[in-house]
Amino acid sequence: EVQLVESGGVVVQPGGSLRLSCAASGFTFDDYAMHWVRQAPGKGLEWVSLISWDGGSTYYADSVKGRFTISRDNSKNSLYLQMNSLRAEDTALYYCAKGGGYGDSQEYFDYWGQGTLVTVSS
Amino acid sequence: QSVLTQPPSVSGAPGQRVTISCTGSSSNIGAGYDVHWYQQLPGTAPKLLIYGNSNRPSGVPDRFSGSKSGTSASLAISGLQAEDEADYYCQSYDSSLSGYVFGTGTKVTVL
Repeated sequence: EVQLVESGGVVVQPGGSLRLSCAASGFTFDDYAMHWVRQAPGKGLEWVSLISWDGGSTYYADSVKGRFTISRDNSKNSLYLQMNSLRAEDTALYYCAKGGGYGDSQEYFDYWGQGTLVTVSS
Repeated sequence: QSVLTQPPSVSGAPGQRVTISCTGSSSNIGAGYDVHWYQQLPGTAPKLLIYGNSNRPSGVPDRFSGSKSGTSASLAISGLQAEDEADYYCQSYDSSLSGYVFGTGTKVTVL
């Protein structure tokens, strides 16, 4: 059974930093691209970032480019999101999602974690 | 602001058929990128419902079907059931944004 468990969400002040983690199990982690997707309270879904199976390629939404860094440790079956220069508009539930395709333009998200809540507020 | 537009809400009686549209443009759906659909039950994470325009993952009832034409896609739910009350999102890729995009979301209500 595929399981994705996120952690690290807390309340942080504007301009602060935070690192989210996602522990994966139930599939061959290093065979798949991984993603972060977020959902602001009461709002829709927004794709945040993608990392290729080997960590060699990373992509970001314009809204987080230059502030967030995605990474993975295949030896630990773990995905990370380093979030810097946080803004109020980054407040959201952050989901870790497994790529269902090849991490290309036809990619979709076939398994999701339960999410971890990040609140940016003074 | 999302580049994929969905109706905010649709509703139907139990047993009826409802459809949800997802309207894009020439830089996403119209460019040939696949459309995928997700169901989000209240208070839970999204769940993949349809991938590659019309394919159902294992375990998804055949009451759910997807199609794509031109710059739009549709999700149909036939034989509507109370358990289908949820938010539904379409998703694709946008070449102008160089990233994945979601629809605005549609709340399905079973009357």
